[in-house]
Amino acid sequence: DQQVKQNSPSLSVQEGRISILNCDYTNSMFDYFLWYKKYPAEGPTFLISISSIKDKNEDGRFTVFLNKSAKHLSLHIVPSQPGDSAVYFCAASRGVNTGTASKLTFGTGTRLQVTL
Amino acid sequence: DAGVIQSPRHEVTEMGQEVTLRCKPISGHNSLFWYRQTMMRGLELLIYFNNNVPIDDSGMPEDRFSAKMPNASFSTLKIQPSEPRDSAVYFCASRPGLHQPQHFGDGTRLSIL
Repeated sequence: DQQVKQNSPSLSVQEGRISILNCDYTNSMFDYFLWYKKYPAEGPTFLISISSIKDKNEDGRFTVFLNKSAKHLSLHIVPSQPGDSAVYFCAASRGVNTGTASKLTFGTGTRLQVTL
Repeated sequence: DAGVIQSPRHEVTEMGQEVTLRCKPISGHNSLFWYRQTMMRGLELLIYFNNNVPIDDSGMPEDRFSAKMPNASFSTLKIQPSEPRDSAVYFCASRPGLHQPQHFGDGTRLSIL
């Protein structure tokens, strides 16, 4: 049972344009969401997160949007750069708002290719 | 600052052998996680520890897998006996606190022949 889904395995975007990566979840108990970026032969690195009490969080070129009613979140990268080419993982956890320890559930990833 | 350190980076061994993967979390982090990444299943959590105590091992595939955290600065994931289907990249991650992101090591690529 895949509780966090990234339905697009790959995405190609031209340099300078907007990249939009999507993620859907099924567990309504999730209250904390994160995006990780992964380069080949390296571990995932944390990019940006959002709590369920917000619907948007921005950090430089990266913005995460959360639509709780649709159980959907997206990562926007503007403008996209060649160095953004990587695999992006969406992850979710529960218990942040109640202060309980919790694990992350990851999506299967979307490979982003930013072309010149 | 040193990140999460995993060893070895690569391991190739024959089926039936014991395999031990090692992880040194970031100093001061109180949670440690072991993940396995495969093409078919993506990134799966195997087990995690809070303050050296195993909290959830429901992701451990079978009794051939075991994990320990004898102290705050070291953890091992052991597979005995290993099988070809255990071939994957194994990641260790640590986290400084409840509401903080996890920091990952660069993984161990395990190949069982």
